[in-house]
Amino acid sequence: DSGVTQTPKHLITATGQRVTLRCSPRSGDLSVYWYQQSLDQGLQFLIQYYNGEERAKGNILERFSAQQFPDLHSELNLSSLELGDSALYFCASRGPSDRQQYFGPGTRLTVT
Amino acid sequence: GQQVMQIPQYQHVQEGEDFTTYCNSSTTLSNIQWYKQRPGGHPVFLIQLVKSGEVKKQKRLTFQFGEAKKNSSLHITATQTTDVGTYFCAAQPGGGSEKLVFGKGTKLTVNP
Repeated sequence: DSGVTQTPKHLITATGQRVTLRCSPRSGDLSVYWYQQSLDQGLQFLIQYYNGEERAKGNILERFSAQQFPDLHSELNLSSLELGDSALYFCASRGPSDRQQYFGPGTRLTVT
Repeated sequence: GQQVMQIPQYQHVQEGEDFTTYCNSSTTLSNIQWYKQRPGGHPVFLIQLVKSGEVKKQKRLTFQFGEAKKNSSLHITATQTTDVGTYFCAAQPGGGSEKLVFGKGTKLTVNP
């Protein structure tokens, strides 16, 4: 158990819909990272937040957005969903003195 | 953008055989990290390499960082069934960026 929690575990929705994925980082970790893992693309970095502010952006689509709240939990919003958005979405957190990222269990999104 | 190539994509070994996965970047890296993802699980940090030519060992695992800090390898001696999973290298490009660029991973299966 990494100490990072993600909800929901599974999500099945239809094309065109919008979903919100939630992540709670380890206690005290200010950095939160979001990744998308699909079979053919590996782990793709989407976005990083640090203490409520966006810190780095990766290959995040315009249909996707994220935010980090004052209590440091983060949400990833995916809208106008397409079949190709079906993937595992991981959240990771990192403390100020940590080298590594601690990954949550992931949310498996299926778009039908 | 930054890309990290990892080979092979798949590796099947008999228990007791050795295993190696390689990671290459076209640019000099600040550091490189290795993660392991068990089937159905999330990535778990194994190690970070920072110095040119660095070699680190964890029991049967040996990690190397190239002299030019552009490549890295993970070698497992005498594989066991518990080594099954996907091994990812993750590079931190440098220049103050905290994001990690993951290789596509090497999926290791071990036949008992």
